[in-house]
Amino acid sequence: NAGVMQNPRHLVRRRGQEARLRCSPMKGHSHVYWYRQLPEEGLKFMVYLQKENIIDESGMPKERFSAEFPKEGPSILRIQQVVRGDSAAYFCASSPFVERYQETQYFGPGTRLLVL
Amino acid sequence: DQQVKQNSPSLSVQEGRISILNCDYTNSMFDYFLWYKKYPAEGPTFLISISSIKDKNEDGRFTVFLNKSAKHLSLHIVPSQPGDSAVYFCAASAGSNYQLIWGAGTKLIIKP
Repeated sequence: NAGVMQNPRHLVRRRGQEARLRCSPMKGHSHVYWYRQLPEEGLKFMVYLQKENIIDESGMPKERFSAEFPKEGPSILRIQQVVRGDSAAYFCASSPFVERYQETQYFGPGTRLLVL
Repeated sequence: DQQVKQNSPSLSVQEGRISILNCDYTNSMFDYFLWYKKYPAEGPTFLISISSIKDKNEDGRFTVFLNKSAKHLSLHIVPSQPGDSAVYFCAASAGSNYQLIWGAGTKLIIKP
């Protein structure tokens, strides 16, 4: 059973370009979460998606960031017109479903975005 | 406002001894707590969790203790092994809220 897959593992972009980060959840998981980690900090929640639905994007910056989880294919985190402050590790997690006591979230290896 | 705090950035422990990692929280609504382990260039790996209805949960060498009145939890690793060297994150959630709130992590170094 493959774990959560993320690609690319490393992404270098110049200021103003677009970054697309992909996440394939574990088999049987229909919930996807994106987190961002800045150096020397813990992970910060960005967005929670189910298939074809954004459930909570309260942690996403209001501009330039968007996420989707289509019926077919991976979840995509898209950052338009990247700036240096977007440089971070972006982690995707998945879980099978959410109950009163949260199902454990399983994490992918992350995408390290560097904006030059 | 940091709701989950790990005040020790790093901890060094002799192999075979007990490692104790600490975590404090401020939000009294948190009722589910998790510990994750992270190696460099990898994603966090789930270790162990505890709900607020318990004060202890054990899984092999790992035990998590929860002190609700002190808003404190700790992870005990006994005996510590070289492969335990990693960064350990404490995370918490409240009710049916799926958002995990993370501490900044503690780097554990196991000395041979």
